Amino acid sequence: EPEVTQTPSHQVTQMGQEVILRCVPISNHLYFYWYRQILGQKVEFLVSFYNNEISEKSEIFDDQFSVERPDGSNFTLKIRSTKLEDSAMYFCASIPDRGRGNEQFFGPGTRLTVL
Amino acid sequence: AQRVTQPEKLLSVFKGAPVELKCNYSYSGSPELFWYVQYSRQRLQLLLRHISRESIKGFTADLNKGETSFHLKKPFAQEEDSAMYYCALSGTAAGSYQLTFGKGTKLSVIP
Repeated sequence: EPEVTQTPSHQVTQMGQEVILRCVPISNHLYFYWYRQILGQKVEFLVSFYNNEISEKSEIFDDQFSVERPDGSNFTLKIRSTKLEDSAMYFCASIPDRGRGNEQFFGPGTRLTVL
Repeated sequence: AQRVTQPEKLLSVFKGAPVELKCNYSYSGSPELFWYVQYSRQRLQLLLRHISRESIKGFTADLNKGETSFHLKKPFAQEEDSAMYYCALSGTAAGSYQLTFGKGTKLSVIP
């Protein structure tokens, strides 16, 4: 069964460095999402992406964040200058279309640790 | 603003006992409600959604619009049910399909 994949599984970086988190959504899916979960807190929506542009973004998704789909398969989240508070699990998700009640398929997550 | 509340951080039950994981929501409209589960070292996966009215692994959940609740229930807990359970809400207006999650409840089934 096809799955969403994410790399790396764990990324350690220094504060102020740029990081790129990678996701490969399920191949026939059209809508893509990034969520994050700070340790001990709830899973929070960051951004949704469709047709090569951002559909919606939360207030968390500020100018330090960007997303792109560079090659038709990868879906990346870039954090330009990481802060300590960016340490979290980052989950990618995809769905085939945005019908009612559609299941979002999640990747295994990338644990980002900012030192 | 949409919000999901799961009041219990941890719920411990004995094997064979009934389980009820509570979820209340706030949304000005008709939301879609989901339960996602995360077993140890595995990814988040859909358990069930209210629109399907299905029973998965013996779990059911009924949407109560009057009480704005979507509690998850199972009559007889099994050890393999031990996991994190997240209640989630999705809006139905155009452009609002992202999920809003509760904080999650860790279910521990004691053998």
